[in-house]
Amino acid sequence: GIQVEQSPPDLILQEGANSTLRCNFSDSVNNLQWFHQNPWGQLINLFYIPSGTKQNGRLSATTVATERYSLLYISSSQTTDSGVYFCAVKVRGRRALTFGSGTRLQVQP
Amino acid sequence: NAGVMQNPRHLVRRRGQEARLRCSPMKGHSHVYWYRQLPEEGLKFMVYLQKENIIDESGMPKERFSAEFPKEGPSILRIQQVVRGDSAAYFCASSPPSASTGYEQYFGPGTRLTVT
Repeated sequence: GIQVEQSPPDLILQEGANSTLRCNFSDSVNNLQWFHQNPWGQLINLFYIPSGTKQNGRLSATTVATERYSLLYISSSQTTDSGVYFCAVKVRGRRALTFGSGTRLQVQP
Repeated sequence: NAGVMQNPRHLVRRRGQEARLRCSPMKGHSHVYWYRQLPEEGLKFMVYLQKENIIDESGMPKERFSAEFPKEGPSILRIQQVVRGDSAAYFCASSPPSASTGYEQYFGPGTRLTVT
């Protein structure tokens, strides 16, 4: 099956810093989603981005499908950004999402 | 518009008991997915259902686990004779029937199952 790798596995930032999270995948996909799992365990949809670039406030994401990677940018980080960020992909012909192992982000005041 | 609803949010069962987890999809969504998250791990797909049909159960353990999505009512994930290794967070997701959104999945708050 498809492999999804996220880097870095852990990241500690000072409030106000910027960061880039990466997601590599091993096969063609027709759906890619980014999620934030907050410290209470809830999964929050950030982006549905099978290709191209999207922005939502301080967050933006870019997927280059032909090169099989996606990037999530967090600017001016805040303590509420802490949690785990997951990338998940879907291959053609299946509906199941395959998740990466996540990037654990801790933003310190 | 209410999101995906799951209950109970927390469930404690003794070894050998049965666990029933419920999921109501978002309004207008007819596709339901169940995922399991073991401690400190990512989510793993279990099963994909449409009303009255199991479409893909490739991630379901072969024994003790079953799922249904009846014509009326919520989707149910049932775990019989629970063991300590079943302790995990179980997430339900739903997606709309249209392909125009790429079947983007929206997740519920999860049910945290603890087996003692």
